[in-house]
Amino acid sequence: AQSVAQPEDQVNVAEGNPLTVKCTYSVSGNPYLFWYVQYPNRGLQFLLKYITGDNLVKGSYGFEAEFNKSQTSFHLKKPSALVSDSALYFCAVRDLGGGADGLTFGKGTHLIIQP
Amino acid sequence: NAGVTQTPKFQVLKTGQSMTLQCAQDMNHNSMYWYRQDPGMGLRLIYYSASEGTTDKGEVPNGYNVSRLNKREFSLRLESAAPSQTSVYFCASSTPRDGPQFFGPGTRLTVL
Repeated sequence: AQSVAQPEDQVNVAEGNPLTVKCTYSVSGNPYLFWYVQYPNRGLQFLLKYITGDNLVKGSYGFEAEFNKSQTSFHLKKPSALVSDSALYFCAVRDLGGGADGLTFGKGTHLIIQP
Repeated sequence: NAGVTQTPKFQVLKTGQSMTLQCAQDMNHNSMYWYRQDPGMGLRLIYYSASEGTTDKGEVPNGYNVSRLNKREFSLRLESAAPSQTSVYFCASSTPRDGPQFFGPGTRLTVL
């Protein structure tokens, strides 16, 4: 079975500082990894994905994520945080080796950017 | 281009009542999904449909049924609502099957 862990319920960052939101995963085959963002009372918005290739993936709104196979991690990063980045962030995984369709999500991390 | 739409946005039911949540997408996607979101638990897959005419159970299918009416529409039915089904329900679609999923705005359901 596949699983995702987001070890921090909340991350606080000052505006202008770099941010990192952590994610680790477990799959039996090769992973297909995603980050989504959710603003209050809204649906999830796709930020970026990793299938194969370069371990550093660039996505929307200046976000990027680093895939590390040996540590089974896919941390979300941004060089300079904005107050508008404050939201709930979800990491998700799909096992390319098979199993049910659909994504397995982490529990989410609240990102709070302080002015 | 509306993307993924869901109706209703809000619903309050009494225990034992039934209802159908509607979802439609205009992106010509083959795969569609229903998730529920509960505080502190992320999103969990209820059912999915890899193509028109097929449906399969996800992680938490008990108490739900689905219908893939056509390529655009995928409905979720609660036959006898229970308080444990109080949640926010999201529909999503994607293509190819492993592509990014695009989510609707959600339906907030309360079962009293």
